[in-house]
Amino acid sequence: NAGVTQTPKFQVLKTGQSMTLQCAQDMNHNSMYWYRQDPGMGLRLIYYSASEGTTDKGEVPNGYNVSRLNKREFSLRLESAAPSQTSVYFCASSDPGGTEGNQPQHFGDGTRLSIL
Amino acid sequence: AQRVTQPEKLLSVFKGAPVELKCNYSYSGSPELFWYVQYSRQRLQLLLRHISRESIKGFTADLNKGETSFHLKKPFAQEEDSAMYYCALFSGGYNKLIFGAGTRLAVHP
Repeated sequence: NAGVTQTPKFQVLKTGQSMTLQCAQDMNHNSMYWYRQDPGMGLRLIYYSASEGTTDKGEVPNGYNVSRLNKREFSLRLESAAPSQTSVYFCASSDPGGTEGNQPQHFGDGTRLSIL
Repeated sequence: AQRVTQPEKLLSVFKGAPVELKCNYSYSGSPELFWYVQYSRQRLQLLLRHISRESIKGFTADLNKGETSFHLKKPFAQEEDSAMYYCALFSGGYNKLIFGAGTRLAVHP
């Protein structure tokens, strides 16, 4: 099993360009998450999807949109990239409420995004 | 407000020295806490969760509700322990996590 797979691994954009970050998981998890990781700020939740067909805002949703395409895939879109969105983006998945109670999140390798 | 505080950005120790990475939390209710580790340019991996009371790679962490702390400890640091460590709090509802800012542990030979 690959776990959580993110593409691309690196990307450089110009201000105003748009881009979609892709995430897929093969663990049959119900919930998926997008975080951004910035120095000195840890990981902050952008959006999450509790289950297929639902999405909700996290702590820092402005400037982003998401799509839960199916149970496996959860994409993050930047419609008009800004330098403040330069960050490392992590996708994660988990299966809350499973037989062992709340389960930890499993993370992808991350996407390093630079916006000039 | 729900919050996780890791007061140290960097902890630098020599190999064989004891290590304690501090984590304090603010949560109204019964907290569920985790430690995640991120080795250089790798994905975050779960290191510990307080409810399982395990010892992983020699690390332990005890939840102290009186002090609202979940400090990560290891009696003898190894060079391969050098990494970024994040404390995280389960914030309820769909497994959402609140992360601390992280502490970089540097273990020198």
